[in-house]
Amino acid sequence: NAGVTQTPKFQVLKTGQSMTLQCAQDMNHEYMSWYRQDPGMGLRLIHYSVGAGITDQGEVPNGYNVSRSTTEDFPLRLLSAAPSQTSVYFCASSYFLAGVRETQYFGPGTRLLVL
Amino acid sequence: DAKTTQPTSMDCAEGRAANLPCNHSTISGNEYVYWYRQIHSQGPQYIIHGLKNNETNEMASLIITEDRKSSTLILPHATLRDTAVYYCIVRVPNAGNMLTFGGGTRLMVKP
Repeated sequence: NAGVTQTPKFQVLKTGQSMTLQCAQDMNHEYMSWYRQDPGMGLRLIHYSVGAGITDQGEVPNGYNVSRSTTEDFPLRLLSAAPSQTSVYFCASSYFLAGVRETQYFGPGTRLLVL
Repeated sequence: DAKTTQPTSMDCAEGRAANLPCNHSTISGNEYVYWYRQIHSQGPQYIIHGLKNNETNEMASLIITEDRKSSTLILPHATLRDTAVYYCIVRVPNAGNMLTFGGGTRLMVKP
């Protein structure tokens, strides 16, 4: 298993540009999520999905869109990049075994710089 | 999710046990305690979780007080590679409830 993969690893954007951060998992996990981490801070939830076709907002959703057309993929779209979106973005997937166990598996992150 | 309080930073000598405390005084009966860690520039890594009983796995032990208002993560023989930020998270594991990460404890393991 490759686990959770993210592309690209690094990206530089100009203000106003759009782009899509890719996330894929090969563990057949139903639940996927996107977090951002600013320097010296903890992770903040952007959007999450509990299954194909179902998404919902997290703590900081503004400026980002998501969709979940397949179980494997959960792309994050920046519609019009702003310097405030400079951050490290982590994708995660998880499984739920009712009441007993749930762990999240994180990707390696995408480092985004918006000029 | 219940709020957690952790020290900002801790030091530990290599080879000694690292004991990382977490206060969660408002925890409710169906909330679990989870621990994750994040080594520099990497994605967070699951360590261990528990409800009320003490738990142990190949990475660490989790000690939860009888009233469940606090817990301690124990790394029995800390190595330099255990230097990381450790997050204590309290939540109910259900379908729509994703992890909320706070500031965590920055553990520095020193030679």
